Amino acid sequence: KFMLTQPHSVSESPGKTVTISCTRSSGRIATNYVHWCQQRPGSAPTTVIYEDDQRPSAVPDRFSGSIDRSSNSASLTISGLKTEDEADYYCYSFDSSINGVVFGGGTRLTVL
Amino acid sequence: EVRLLESGGGLVQPGGSLRLSCAASGFTFSNYAMTWVRQAPGRGLEWVSGITNNGDTTSYSDSVKGRFTVSRDNSKYTLFLQMNSLRADDTAVYYCAKDRGVAATRPGDSWGQGTLVAVSS
Repeated sequence: KFMLTQPHSVSESPGKTVTISCTRSSGRIATNYVHWCQQRPGSAPTTVIYEDDQRPSAVPDRFSGSIDRSSNSASLTISGLKTEDEADYYCYSFDSSINGVVFGGGTRLTVL
Repeated sequence: EVRLLESGGGLVQPGGSLRLSCAASGFTFSNYAMTWVRQAPGRGLEWVSGITNNGDTTSYSDSVKGRFTVSRDNSKYTLFLQMNSLRADDTAVYYCAKDRGVAATRPGDSWGQGTLVAVSS
């Protein structure tokens, strides 16, 4: 079973751009899709990026996703930060060795 | 509009049982796999279980294997999670999530609002 490692927290100012990383511990990052969800305090998760770089229609184009094979990681980038983007962000991916889903530990984004 | 509504949570004593339900609407339920994810207080998201669209294949995390059973009634657009031998560390908000396909490999197309399970004496 692989692990997905995220920074515990990041912070940035409104209007700026922030990137959250998600590093896979073993196996290739491109083997299975990486997805990202946002969870605001007291709310259920919502997906902001699926299948590495796809954005649901309701999610603003300030959100983008990518994978980097050289660092075996995925990234979520949010540009033009707004205070409403303050939330926890989780990456996750399917692991065929357990026939289940692995979640990263989550990253708390503070917009200040 | 896709809607997922969990129910069945509550306070239960250690060793007890609960059955969670997830009522689905707004899509053809039998065409999609489903997943249960939980979140303990102050902790991150944890995958619990997945089930394929027709219910033929199920999977469980090691922490719940042998105690939890996932099932679905496609005619009633409902997903279930039978939880037995509950322990204090099962205390969490339980979310159901719709998959993007039939195989429970790409969950998160939609999420429910969650139901709280508290295991305590």
